[in-house]
Amino acid sequence: EDQVTQSPEALRLQEGESSSLNCSYTVSGLRGLFWYRQDPGKGPEFLFTLYSAGEEKEKERLKATLTKKESFLHITAPKPEDSATYLCAVREDDYKLSFGAGTTVTVRA
Amino acid sequence: DAGVTQSPTHLIKTRGQHVTLRCSPISGHKSVSWYQQVLGQGPQFIFQYYEKEERGRGNFPDRFSARQFPNYSSELNVNALLLGDSALYLCASSLGGGQGRQPQHFGDGTRLSIL
Repeated sequence: EDQVTQSPEALRLQEGESSSLNCSYTVSGLRGLFWYRQDPGKGPEFLFTLYSAGEEKEKERLKATLTKKESFLHITAPKPEDSATYLCAVREDDYKLSFGAGTTVTVRA
Repeated sequence: DAGVTQSPTHLIKTRGQHVTLRCSPISGHKSVSWYQQVLGQGPQFIFQYYEKEERGRGNFPDRFSARQFPNYSSELNVNALLLGDSALYLCASSLGGGQGRQPQHFGDGTRLSIL
């Protein structure tokens, strides 16, 4: 059973068109939820860590929020350089991250 | 500051061969984790090492093994390669054993292709 589910699989946006990505999780004891950005041919780049329901983090045009069952990554007024695959991962023990399959975002100028 | 470095960047092997992938963590990081990422999927956890000891292992066969050296660098070894082992192999480092709010920072991976 998948522990982390991301939706949608792909998102095509016009420059400036704000939208949100969803990450739902089913782990019992969450020890952290992490958002990463991955460009083609590159490794994941760390964006945010969220720990508690109600927590929010922001970085430039990105804002991540957390509830007890899901997290959202909001992209405000995106630019073409925001095009990437966004990965969500959860930690329920001391050593491993469980990743979702990612949402591929394409922003057209 | 240098990030996580992995070598080689690309590798082509044939079925049945053996491969060794290498990783140098960020300076000061003592924990190294290995992940396998198949095209179109998220990374899947293989191993974590902390202070040269294996702390966790994912659902991978015994053909996969790893070790961590006194300088905290790490090697991932895969024996008897199968076509299904073709993937991007990612190394990630973090300060400690994974507890708390420490994120894992990833290298750009080794692209392994099995013919």
